[in-house]
Amino acid sequence: EVQMVESGGGLVQPGRSLRLSCIVSGFTFEDSAMSWVRQAPGKGLEWVAFIRSKTYGGTTEYAASVRGRFTISRDDSKSIAYLQMNSLKTDDTAVYYCTRVLGYGYYYGMDVWGQGTTVTVSS
Amino acid sequence: EIVLTQSPGSLSLSPGERATLSCRASQSVSSSYLAWYQQKPGQAPRLLIYGASSRATGIPGRFRGSGSGTDFTLTIFRLEPEDFAMFYCQQYDSSPFSFGQGTKLEIK
Repeated sequence: EVQMVESGGGLVQPGRSLRLSCIVSGFTFEDSAMSWVRQAPGKGLEWVAFIRSKTYGGTTEYAASVRGRFTISRDDSKSIAYLQMNSLKTDDTAVYYCTRVLGYGYYYGMDVWGQGTTVTVSS
Repeated sequence: EIVLTQSPGSLSLSPGERATLSCRASQSVSSSYLAWYQQKPGQAPRLLIYGASSRATGIPGRFRGSGSGTDFTLTIFRLEPEDFAMFYCQQYDSSPFSFGQGTKLEIK
């Protein structure tokens, strides 16, 4: 069974850091590109970050709103994707979803989603 | 940066009717890299369509994606009660991999 379980969310003060984890099972993680998507309360979906598999360089992409503050990474030996979030702002408050991205080299959509972890940035 | 604009913002229809949702891109998107998602309240989104017209695993045939260039459409034939939800388009043509703002499909 394909599963992705996020953790690491919580309440954090503005300016502080948080690291989200996404533990994967049921598919070959090292062959998969991964993304993080967030959804602020009552708002739509916002794509946040993307990481290619090592076969395709393991390179990353970021939304402008988080570039320079967030870092996506992966540990293929543990089948875990991470999102390191620094210098958090109140606007970063959202449910964060980990996703698997369909495709190899070219990408088509996100076919597996975790249940989401909630990040609240507030003083 | 590619901006996706979905219309209408909301749509009120009855079960059995046909829904037509639009997604317009600010610049051309390769059909291969346009996806549609459905999200119900309190749930994670699920992939409906990828490559503009290919149904994801387990998605019923009443969901049909079409379009090319800057204009894409999601059509839901013969609406079922479980189809009412939010719908988002997304492009993977170029980073940032943007979403549209969503269309809310409501029961009339």
